Amino acid sequence: SQQGEEDPQALSIQEGENATMNCSYKTSINNLQWYRQNSGRGLVHLILIRSNEREKHSGRLRVTLDTSKKSSSLLITASRAADTASYFCATDERGAQKLVFGQGTRLTINP
Amino acid sequence: NAGVTQTPKFQVLKTGQSMTLQCAQDMNHEYMSWYRQDPGMGLRLIHYSVGAGITDQGEVPNGYNVSRSTTEDFPLRLLSAAPSQTSVYFCASSSFGRGPKNIQYFGAGTRLSVL
Repeated sequence: SQQGEEDPQALSIQEGENATMNCSYKTSINNLQWYRQNSGRGLVHLILIRSNEREKHSGRLRVTLDTSKKSSSLLITASRAADTASYFCATDERGAQKLVFGQGTRLTINP
Repeated sequence: NAGVTQTPKFQVLKTGQSMTLQCAQDMNHEYMSWYRQDPGMGLRLIHYSVGAGITDQGEVPNGYNVSRSTTEDFPLRLLSAAPSQTSVYFCASSSFGRGPKNIQYFGAGTRLSVL
């Protein structure tokens, strides 16, 4: 079964607004990653946060991790039309040799 | 660098036909994996490999075979295609065990339809 569950499944906002996506998982992890997928393309890695980190920034991206609640959030600030894509969280389970992906959040930025 | 290259980009098969989806990477990555992506299902792991000669099953391995004879190549074989295997297939690789663990680099995907 899939490790990560993402919320919401779809999100539509106006350009310039902030977008927040959430991910919950079930087991202990080494790290949690976020990926972006543009329509018809492969996934592209955005950011990785380790289990001993609580917050990480990369440009307009801010990721938080709460291991006690087994959840993470991805915040995209000052959204742009080019941010329209699907966003997936992926967990690196302790003791496992694989990443497990969530079902994704489909983000639409309206001009 | 080409990164991860998947061929073909599109394929239509008839039920019962066999085919091989090719995946090659030029980053000297030890870890390679195959996923399938279906609407509303996210990515599901089919098979993965932590190095040449070593493969293991993922979440949905039935109907698929893999082998890893070289570091660069990780082909996925459909022995007898079924309509349920209609999907988009992604290959990914990562420098497993070196640097940030398990950041994966994806190919562009193969869109497979089984009639």
